[in-house]
Amino acid sequence: GAVVSQHPSRVICKSGTSVKIECRSLDFQATTMFWYRQFPKQSLMLMATSNEGSKATYEQGVEKDKFLINHASLTLSTLTVTSAHPEDSSFYICSARDRGESFYYNEQFFGPGTRLTVL
Amino acid sequence: SQQGEEDPQALSIQEGENATMNCSYKTSINNLQWYRQNSGRGLVHLILIRSNEREKHSGRLRVTLDTSKKSSSLLITASRAADTASYFCATRRGSTLGRLYFGRGTQLTVWP
Repeated sequence: GAVVSQHPSRVICKSGTSVKIECRSLDFQATTMFWYRQFPKQSLMLMATSNEGSKATYEQGVEKDKFLINHASLTLSTLTVTSAHPEDSSFYICSARDRGESFYYNEQFFGPGTRLTVL
Repeated sequence: SQQGEEDPQALSIQEGENATMNCSYKTSINNLQWYRQNSGRGLVHLILIRSNEREKHSGRLRVTLDTSKKSSSLLITASRAADTASYFCATRRGSTLGRLYFGRGTQLTVWP
């Protein structure tokens, strides 16, 4: 299947700093990328949907000024956690959907995740 | 919000045994997908079943879908220790632009 990479895989930062996470589709063009957050032993919670060249759509309860998403190209989306706090510590996973003829039947490919720890 | 609910939440079996996980959902769907997640890793897509399909096979995996009961099952036959992981079902609704709704997952442990 298609490959999605995330960088970094693990990051530790001090409270108050900003952290940027990159998500890349390596061998396909992704018109849409999704950002999820996952707490230990929990399911994935969708944070936002990012379409190339347009503003991201955030889920209810997700602060768009805190979690900045940029989808500047068909292969790259970034999530910036601004002024991070310990409660932002989590596992962040991105996902990209391949272009396809059938919109609803496209598969989503997931990145390996980024473990963020805010001290 | 979450869509699916898997059961059991945790399943522990011996190598060679079959593992069955169930997923129920609440609204009509376009397709249902199963994913595996190893501890601390991203999700691996296992299988997708469309709403007009009833059963699908892929290697040791067998997925069924019953839209009348709004439920699906994932069967892993002849399980191996390497199958130890969390398994999630995710649904895509026809009225939503492409987002997946994930269940809470089943933690499968296969003992050698």
